[in-house]
Amino acid sequence: SQQGEEDPQALSIQEGENATMNCSYKTSINNLQWYRQNSGRGLVHLILIRSNEREKHSGRLRVTLDTSKKSSSLLITASRAADTASYFCATALIQGAQKLVFGQGTRLTINP
Amino acid sequence: GAGVSQSPSNKVTEKGKDVELRCDPISGHTALYWYRQSLGQGLEFLIYFQGNSAPDKSGLPSDRFSAERTGGSVSTLTIQRTQQEDSAVYLCASSGRVVAYNEQFFGPGTRLTVL
Repeated sequence: SQQGEEDPQALSIQEGENATMNCSYKTSINNLQWYRQNSGRGLVHLILIRSNEREKHSGRLRVTLDTSKKSSSLLITASRAADTASYFCATALIQGAQKLVFGQGTRLTINP
Repeated sequence: GAGVSQSPSNKVTEKGKDVELRCDPISGHTALYWYRQSLGQGLEFLIYFQGNSAPDKSGLPSDRFSAERTGGSVSTLTIQRTQQEDSAVYLCASSGRVVAYNEQFFGPGTRLTVL
């Protein structure tokens, strides 16, 4: 089964609102990364959080990591129409950290 | 080049034919990855190359799939005797470090359609 699973599968909000997406995983990780994908093509790296970190910020993005619950959340504040995309979490396992295991993604739609 | 490039961007083939997909990673990146993404799904890991080490082929779905990386740079993913279930977007990524501390940089993908 997938190491990372996002929740919800789809999210639709109004422009200006905050969007929160969650990711759960099963085994211990080295780090967790969030990626964005537009139009079903290449992914763009957003942020990386290491297993010994609890929170990280980058612009309008805030990522949290709770290793005791094996979960992470991605918060996008003051959403814009351009944020419409699919968002994936990806985990790098402690053993075999060279490759990432991706979840199924959350499809985010920002309505103008 | 500035980023990872892949060719072709789209490929339509008939069932039973062989196809080759190409990936040019970012210059100097030692790690190269191939993923497959079916419509509306997440990414499925296929194969990973790191420097001169033996590739990690654990994600290849069948022996019809193979990949090589020549000179530690360009990679080719070959699918023999294509089947309709092979239809997907094939994504290549490269990374500059041994472990996944650093981000992976993705190409735009090749959309493969098997008729």
